[in-house]
Amino acid sequence: ILNVEQSPQSLHVQEGDSTNFTCSFPSSNFYALHWYRWETAKSPEALFVMTLNGDEKKKGRISATLNTKEGYSYLYIKGSQPEDSATYLCALGLTFGNEKLTFGTGTRLTIIP
Amino acid sequence: DTGVSQNPRHKITKRGQNVTFRCDPISEHNRLYWYRQTLGQGPEFLTYFQNEAQLEKSRLLSDRFSAERPKGSFSTLEIQRTEQGDSAMYLCASSLNAVSGNTIYFGEGSWLTVV
Repeated sequence: ILNVEQSPQSLHVQEGDSTNFTCSFPSSNFYALHWYRWETAKSPEALFVMTLNGDEKKKGRISATLNTKEGYSYLYIKGSQPEDSATYLCALGLTFGNEKLTFGTGTRLTIIP
Repeated sequence: DTGVSQNPRHKITKRGQNVTFRCDPISEHNRLYWYRQTLGQGPEFLTYFQNEAQLEKSRLLSDRFSAERPKGSFSTLEIQRTEQGDSAMYLCASSLNAVSGNTIYFGEGSWLTVV
């Protein structure tokens, strides 16, 4: 059984503060790491897909890094806004065809106005 | 781009009844996936299609579950003789190519409650 672990499980952050959270995974058999943002009653929104060790991706105030050798990825949010409140999921693609993702249980982020 | 569309969005059914969910993927996406999410867990893979061919099924997919994608476009997921343990959100997703690093796009999900 593959364990993709996310920490913390939940997080409360004051509006305007920056924050980060972690996705950990076994470093072997890695092909791709996906980050999603999932707001209640909406579809999971794809944020990043990373495949190479050392990858860094950025989308507005959100960025992510990847370390495949040690098996972790960080997601950073700069200057948190209320609309950042969501569950952030990471998922591991284990196979070249990318057809099956193994998800973590997510980090529930709440921004306090 | 209308995104991945799922319906119904919510379904309440009595134990023992059959239910069917439909997924319309993003146009021209040749890969279609079904996932299931229960409370407190991340989505779990159920099955996926490459065009009309069902290429993999999870052990989670008991013989009461069947998925089809007859023309390589929309897909249906049928659950026969529903049980309370089937209560979950069923998510559909699609992607364009069978290449690692491609984005997989999800629908809003279909909530199933079995009473």
